[in-house]
Amino acid sequence: KNQVEQSPQSLIILEGKNCTLQCNYTVSPFSNLRWYKQDTGRGPVSLTIMTFSENTKSNGRYTATLDADTKQSSLHITASQLSDSASYICVVISSNAGNMLTFGGGTRLMVKP
Amino acid sequence: DVKVTQSSRYLVKRTGEKVFLECVQDMDHENMFWYRQDPGLGLRLIYFSYDVKMKEKGDIPEGYSVSREKKERFSLILESASTNQTSMYLCATIEGGHTEAFFGQGTRLTVV
Repeated sequence: KNQVEQSPQSLIILEGKNCTLQCNYTVSPFSNLRWYKQDTGRGPVSLTIMTFSENTKSNGRYTATLDADTKQSSLHITASQLSDSASYICVVISSNAGNMLTFGGGTRLMVKP
Repeated sequence: DVKVTQSSRYLVKRTGEKVFLECVQDMDHENMFWYRQDPGLGLRLIYFSYDVKMKEKGDIPEGYSVSREKKERFSLILESASTNQTSMYLCATIEGGHTEAFFGQGTRLTVV
């Protein structure tokens, strides 16, 4: 069964600090992996995409990594800001119509001043 | 920019009412999905559709039905709303290349 597991479930950090969120997956066939940010009461918005051949990709203060061999991805947030407080969801996209999107449970990040 | 628009941000309905949640996308995507999101349970797939008039059950279809009469519109129907259907409902689309899923802003449904 396709699964995506994220850790930690929740995280509290001080403004300006860095943090790393983890995502482990068992999805087949794998197409790509995306990290989404979801503010409270809103729909998820894509932060970055990782394809099979990519190891690292940055989008401003967000850096995502992918290890296709161990099926692990991480999202590193640098110099956190209060506006980073949100849920971060790892989504693995498959080319299989029946299970196209597999979601992790999300990490709830709270950045405190 | 792809737009996925859900008809309501917030909705309050009474038990037993028939409820329609509408989702419209403007990018001619074939695949559309309805999820519900609950604390501690994450996103769970209710129904999806890969073409007009085609629909497939997801993981939790009970109590729901869907309609896809036009490619851009995917409707979720609660035949007889119950309090356990109080939830955040998210519509999503994915393009043919399967590189990105786009989400609507969500509908917070409360059934009283």
